[in-house]
Amino acid sequence: EAQVTQNPRYLITVTGKKLTVTCSQNMNHEYMSWYRQDPGLGLRQIYYSMNVEVTDKGDVPEGYKVSRKEKRNFPLILESPSPNQTSLYFCASSLRGAVNSPLHFGNGTRLTVT
Amino acid sequence: KNQVEQSPQSLIILEGKNCTLQCNYTVSPFSNLRWYKQDTGRGPVSLTIMTFSENTKSNGRYTATLDADTKQSSLHITASQLSDSASYICVVSKILTGGGNKLTFGTGTQLKVEL
Repeated sequence: EAQVTQNPRYLITVTGKKLTVTCSQNMNHEYMSWYRQDPGLGLRQIYYSMNVEVTDKGDVPEGYKVSRKEKRNFPLILESPSPNQTSLYFCASSLRGAVNSPLHFGNGTRLTVT
Repeated sequence: KNQVEQSPQSLIILEGKNCTLQCNYTVSPFSNLRWYKQDTGRGPVSLTIMTFSENTKSNGRYTATLDADTKQSSLHITASQLSDSASYICVVSKILTGGGNKLTFGTGTQLKVEL
């Protein structure tokens, strides 16, 4: 089944403790992206990757890191999480830089930073 | 500032009824407009993608319209079902200088279908 898989689904951590949220897709998509979703705000892009070893900042990249060493994986790294990073995070992928191609989303990771 | 505004913010309808959701945007230069359905606790799922030249596109009981001149789109749901209860998100894609697209997401319309 074609899908985007994120892990974990739920994560509670403390301020400053490094964490990684994994994202994997099995559709051979070039484009992958991370978003956060907060109440009253639309999905906001954190980072995106057009292909292996190619990553770029989105609208809200501060406090986050990503890597794209393999086509299928695009982990999101929070080196020193803070409470304002408490949010619902989505990974997504698509063909050809999302130009006229639908984004396929994972089922989200709900992160709480205390 | 490029924005996507959706209305209403929330809507309750009875099963079997029709409804229409609205999306106005100021994103420019325009590439395409997408509608997504997001069930509670799940990631958004694509319903339609429309380019500048497309006025209407259907996906089952979902029909999206686009007026690129007035920068408005609507999503019409026919004969609603309980499973249509979800958030519906309008997303507008902007052409970037040098290639590629940038997506701007609306905040969604929360639809509840009741018996």
